[in-house]
Amino acid sequence: GENVEQHPSTLSVQEGDSAVIKCTYSDSASNYFPWYKQELGKGPQLIIDIRSNVGEKKDQRIAVTLNKTAKHFSLHITETQPEDSAVYFCAASIEGGSQGNLIFGKGTKLSVKP
Amino acid sequence: DSGVTQTPKHLITATGQRVTLRCSPRSGDLSVYWYQQSLDQGLQFLIHYYNGEERAKGNILERFSAQQFPDLHSELNLSSLELGDSALYFCASSVSVTGELFFGEGSRLTVL
Repeated sequence: GENVEQHPSTLSVQEGDSAVIKCTYSDSASNYFPWYKQELGKGPQLIIDIRSNVGEKKDQRIAVTLNKTAKHFSLHITETQPEDSAVYFCAASIEGGSQGNLIFGKGTKLSVKP
Repeated sequence: DSGVTQTPKHLITATGQRVTLRCSPRSGDLSVYWYQQSLDQGLQFLIHYYNGEERAKGNILERFSAQQFPDLHSELNLSSLELGDSALYFCASSVSVTGELFFGEGSRLTVL
């Protein structure tokens, strides 16, 4: 089955700096790669996703890149703000397959220091 | 607010007991997923229902079971509880069998 590895497990940056979180996946059939943000006491919330037919997607300060050959994808947050502090999860799934459930990485705790 | 409602928010019980967690998906969503979140295992997929039918199973113990009712709400039943079952249990819903998942705020289970 699919396995998703996520690094680093913790990341501390200064406000205004960039943050990068990387994930690798094992199943080459995976074609949907979302990123979720989880704030304390809340459920994960989708912040951006990418499908295998594109290599990069941006949404304001957030971008995701995908390298299907290498089976890895990354989340980039620019101009970080204290409110970006949270746990971030990457995930992978096979859209259109018999099992659409997301397999999550272990998470990255991002701390943005003012 | 994701639109997914989970009850109860907190639950404390003893080993050997049985509990039921309830989830109401977003209006119009046919898929319900259950995930377990613990410090050491992260977010683990348990089970997926689509329009009342079981669609996929993940790392769900035999002591656990779930169902989705005709009104599309779902229940996760946990029996013969052990200390290691203490965790956050999340329900998520989506319109179809794939795509964006909307998570509830979770039910925190503590087994003493």
